[in-house]
Amino acid sequence: AQKVTQAQTEISVVEKEDVTLDCVYETRDTTYYLFWYKQPPSGELVFLIRRNSFDEQNEISGRYSWNFQKSTSSFNFTITASQVVDSAVYFCALSEADSNYQLIWGAGTKLIIKP
Amino acid sequence: DAMVIQNPRYQVTQFGKPVTLSCSQTLNHNVMYWYQQKSSQAPKLLFHYYDKDFNNEADTPDNFQSRRPNTSFCFLDIRSPGLGDAAMYLCATSRERAGTRFQPQHFGDGTRLSIL
Repeated sequence: AQKVTQAQTEISVVEKEDVTLDCVYETRDTTYYLFWYKQPPSGELVFLIRRNSFDEQNEISGRYSWNFQKSTSSFNFTITASQVVDSAVYFCALSEADSNYQLIWGAGTKLIIKP
Repeated sequence: DAMVIQNPRYQVTQFGKPVTLSCSQTLNHNVMYWYQQKSSQAPKLLFHYYDKDFNNEADTPDNFQSRRPNTSFCFLDIRSPGLGDAAMYLCATSRERAGTRFQPQHFGDGTRLSIL
C-alpha cells in the first residue's frame, strides 16, 4: 500500500490562481515527520517545509501555506496567487521510525502555471 | 552559495564503462545520501553514510558502490553502467539520521547520467 499518496499527477492553472496540492499519508508511528520538496525543471530538490506529528498548527510562509490534519492523515499545500516560477514538480514525503526515518516519497505532482 | 555540490552536472558514459559521480558538502553534516531518480518518478534511495558507517538499501544493485573518504566528499561509482542506469543522481545531506533531532535533507543539483 502507498504510504504517501499524491493523487494529482498534474495540475495546470493560470497565473494568479490559487492552487492546492494534496498529500495523504499512512503510518502507524505516533512520531513522524512530513515534508514538502519542490523540484523545478533544473532538477534540484528544494526543501520547503518539515512538520512533526505533534504540531498540527498550520503554517504560512509568504504565498505558501500548509494544512496538516491528523484526523484525515493529510498534509496539503496551497500556493496563493500562483506565479509562473512556481511551475515545478512538488513532492510530499514521510519520515517514520518504522522505516528507519528514511524519506518515503509520494509520486509527485507536476504543477504548471500558465501566464 | 551552494552547500551540496555535485559534479559534473551532466555525465555521458558508454555502456559498461565505469563512471564516478561526486558530491561535496560545506555543511559539515554527518549523513550523506545518494538517490537515483528516473524520469517522472520520485527519488529512490540507493545508500547512505552516517559518518563512515555505510548503509546499503536492500534493493540497490551490486553495480552501485559508494565511497566517503572524508566528511565533505562522497562518491557514487557505477561499475558497469547499463542502459537502465540512465537517470538523475541526487546527493543529499542531513545533520542527523533519525530521531527527534531529525533534520531535513539538503539536496544538490544532481548529475544527469546518460548511457550511450
